[in-house]
Amino acid sequence: NAGVTQTPKFQVLKTGQSMTLQCAQDMNHEYMSWYRQDPGMGLRLIHYSVGAGITDQGEVPNGYNVSRSTTEDFPLRLLSAAPSQTSVYFCASRLSRTGYGYTFGSGTRLTVV
Amino acid sequence: AQTVTQSQPEMSVQEAETVTLSCTYDTSENNYYLFWYKQPPSRQMILVIRQEAYKQQNATENRFSVNFQKAAKSFSLKISDSQLGDTAMYFCAFMKRGGGSNYKLTFGKGTLLTVNP
Repeated sequence: NAGVTQTPKFQVLKTGQSMTLQCAQDMNHEYMSWYRQDPGMGLRLIHYSVGAGITDQGEVPNGYNVSRSTTEDFPLRLLSAAPSQTSVYFCASRLSRTGYGYTFGSGTRLTVV
Repeated sequence: AQTVTQSQPEMSVQEAETVTLSCTYDTSENNYYLFWYKQPPSRQMILVIRQEAYKQQNATENRFSVNFQKAAKSFSLKISDSQLGDTAMYFCAFMKRGGGSNYKLTFGKGTLLTVNP
């Protein structure tokens, strides 16, 4: 199994540009989440989904949109990139009925200049 | 809301020695899970060990073990026989069991562990 696949691994954007970070999982996990990691801040939840068609905001949702049209895919959209969105982004998924933690993708390092 | 605190931003240990990383958390929940994740320089988040709060027995995974003190809300990670490959950022994390908000993993800010040869 591929697990959680994130693309791209690296990206440089100019301020004001938009882009979509892709995330796909092949484990039939109901729950999917997007986190951002900043130095000294740990990982903070941006948006999450508990199933296809259901999404909601996390701690730091401003400037980001998500959708979940299928169980497998959970893309994260940056609407108008800002330097404050320079970060490492992780997508993660897990089964809802178990206590096992999330499985993470390999991350995307995004730089906004 | 839950909070997770890792009070040691950085630690170092000599190869083959034992090191303990600290984690405390604050919650009003009774049923939850606690995790330690490892993030090596490759950036990949790797689950090291998990503890179910309703189990009194401390979890162990090979060289990794935890000291779970539910009343004190403490969850430390002990790494025995440290290896160079253990050099990584370690994150403590909390997740509610069941009911609402069980989608969310709350992380501490991390402890950077360096294993010296």
